Amino acid sequence: EVQLVESGGGLVQPGRSLKLSCAASGFTFSNYYMAWVRQAPKKGLEWVATISTSGSRTYYPDSVKGRFTISRDNAKSSLYLQMNSLKSEDTATYYCARHGTTVVHYFDYWGQGVMVTVSS
Amino acid sequence: EIVLTQSPTTMAASPGEKVTLTCRASSSVSYMHWYQQRSGTSPKLWIYETSKLASGVPNRFSGSGSGTSYSLTINSMETEDAATYYCQQGSSYPPTFGSGTKLEIK
Repeated sequence: EVQLVESGGGLVQPGRSLKLSCAASGFTFSNYYMAWVRQAPKKGLEWVATISTSGSRTYYPDSVKGRFTISRDNAKSSLYLQMNSLKSEDTATYYCARHGTTVVHYFDYWGQGVMVTVSS
Repeated sequence: EIVLTQSPTTMAASPGEKVTLTCRASSSVSYMHWYQQRSGTSPKLWIYETSKLASGVPNRFSGSGSGTSYSLTINSMETEDAATYYCQQGSSYPPTFGSGTKLEIK
């Protein structure tokens, strides 16, 4: 059974940093692109970052480029999101998600999500 | 960036009723994917590559469309189908989502 378990969320002040983790199990982690997708309270879904199987390629939307860094440790089957210079608009539930394929980009498994609140 | 517009924003359907949700893209996309999100839970892949049902999805659901116009149809609404449905395109970066259709049971 595929499982994705996020951790590391919490309350953080604007301008500070936070690192999220996602522990994957039930599949060969190193074979899949992985992503982070967020959802602000009562809002829709927003893709945040994607990383290739080896970690050599990363992709971000303009809203987080230069502030967020996605990384992975295939030996530990773990995905990370380093978030710097956090803003109030980054407040959201952050989901770890697996890309279904490397050609057609959809997200076939999602974690339970972790809440990040950016507030003074 | 490709913008996805879903309609309606909210709707209510009676058990047994046929339901159609639509998603329009600002530019042509190769496929559309759909997710179901029940209240307080994480999204689940529901339909991928326009018309393929994800594992465990009842066959009363179907997906269709091409180019800039796509739809998700429920043949006969059931109470468990009450949820928010999001469309998503991955044909070009950044992947984008529609704002969702909240489907309620009457």
